[in-house]
Amino acid sequence: GDSVTQMEGPVTLSEEAFLTINCTYTATGYPSLFWYVQYPGEGLQLLLKATKADDKGSNKGFEATYRKETTSFHLEKGSVQVSDSAVYFCALSTVTGGGNKLTFGTGTQLKVEL
Amino acid sequence: KAGVTQTPRYLIKTRGQQVTLSCSPISGHRSVSWYQQTPGQGLQFLFEYFSETQRNKGNFPGRFSGRQFSNSRSEMNVSTLELGDSALYLCASSLAVGGSGNTIYFGEGSWLTVV
Repeated sequence: GDSVTQMEGPVTLSEEAFLTINCTYTATGYPSLFWYVQYPGEGLQLLLKATKADDKGSNKGFEATYRKETTSFHLEKGSVQVSDSAVYFCALSTVTGGGNKLTFGTGTQLKVEL
Repeated sequence: KAGVTQTPRYLIKTRGQQVTLSCSPISGHRSVSWYQQTPGQGLQFLFEYFSETQRNKGNFPGRFSGRQFSNSRSEMNVSTLELGDSALYLCASSLAVGGSGNTIYFGEGSWLTVV
């Protein structure tokens, strides 16, 4: 079945450091890939998405490139801020039984310190 | 425009009771899905509805059920609550089902505590 593997957290960085959160996936067919972010006590917010190989999703300084050859969708940001502290979820979407279903990774907690 | 709205946001129930959670999708969205989030199991898909029909179902017992109304609003019900049902229940909506890159938007969630 479909699955998403994310790097274990928590990840602790200093402000302005470079961020990489690794994500790899297993899926049949051609999934769409997403990064969602969850701030404490809140729901999930869509951060970025990519729908086909070599697509690059970007938003708020975050980027991720859909790499079909390595089945990866790593999240990167050049300079993190304290306000980026949250849990980040990698997810894939496939059309299953005529519907959409998201399969999530376990989430990676990011802590950014001054 | 307004996002996905879930009610109630917080609730406490006793074992054996039942609970109904409500979700209003983004205006114009016809697909509604539900997810359960727990520290141990992470985010798990419950079910998805489109045009009042269940399109997809996750691996949950029959105590978990849902429905969708003609205005696309959805409810999920959990009967005979167990302690393990304590979780954040997230509703999500999208324009349609299928199609590459159909984006799914989430609400703030309903926090259920079973005591």
